[in-house]
Amino acid sequence: KQEVTQIPAALSVPEGENLVLNCSFTDSAIYNLQWFRQDPGKGLTSLLLIQSSQREQTSGRLNASLDKSSGRSTLYIAASQPGDSATYLCAVIDNYGQNFVFGPGTRLSVLP
Amino acid sequence: SAVISQKPSRDICQRGTSLTIQCQVDSQVTMMFWYRQQPGQSLTLIATANQGSEATYESGFVIDKFPISRPNLTFSTLTVSNMSPEDSSIYLCSVSTGGPDTQYFGPGTRLTVL
Repeated sequence: KQEVTQIPAALSVPEGENLVLNCSFTDSAIYNLQWFRQDPGKGLTSLLLIQSSQREQTSGRLNASLDKSSGRSTLYIAASQPGDSATYLCAVIDNYGQNFVFGPGTRLSVLP
Repeated sequence: SAVISQKPSRDICQRGTSLTIQCQVDSQVTMMFWYRQQPGQSLTLIATANQGSEATYESGFVIDKFPISRPNLTFSTLTVSNMSPEDSSIYLCSVSTGGPDTQYFGPGTRLTVL
C-alpha cells in the first residue's frame, strides 16, 4: 500500500530565504507526482506536475524534483515571500493513473 | 480524519449522456470540493460545495455542465452532463474538516467517454 510522508510538518522562515520541502513515497511504481498549495478554506491549487519519466519541473520560483528509485521528491521555493504562506501537499498517482495518495502536508509560514 | 467513498469507481459512457458521481463522507463536514484530472494534466478544482448554499464554480466550469447537489453535511453529487470524449477524466471529491488546512480525498471516479 502506497504511503506518502512529508517533512517538515511545519516550517517558519523569514522572507527572502530559499527553502526545501520534502516528500517521500513507499512504492516507486507511480504514474506521476504533483505538488499542490492549499490556502485556508480553499481548494487545492496545482503547482507542478512531474511525470514518472521526468526528473524535475520548474515554474517561476518553484522547482520540483523527482527521484523515483529512492521514492523522493523535493519542492524548492526560491526567495520566499509572505504570500507563499500556505500548506503544501504532494500527491502520487499510482501506475494505473487512478488512485491518488496525498501526503499530510507541510505548513509554511513566511514572515515579513 | 474523514473517510470518503465515491461511486462509481469507474464508468464508460456514450457521448451525449450524463453521469452522476456520488461522494459520501463518514462524518459531517462543511466544505466539499470537486476536482478533475484529465489525462496527463494536473488536478483542477471544478467547484466548492457548501451545504445550504449554491456551489461556487471555478473559471471554465459552469453549473449547466457540472451541476452539483449538496443535500446534507455528509453527501454530495457531481453530474457530468451531455458528455463528450473531452470529459474523460478522473473526478475526485474532497472534504475539509477540522482545521482550515486539513483536507481528505476520495478514491476518485475514472470516467471514459466514447
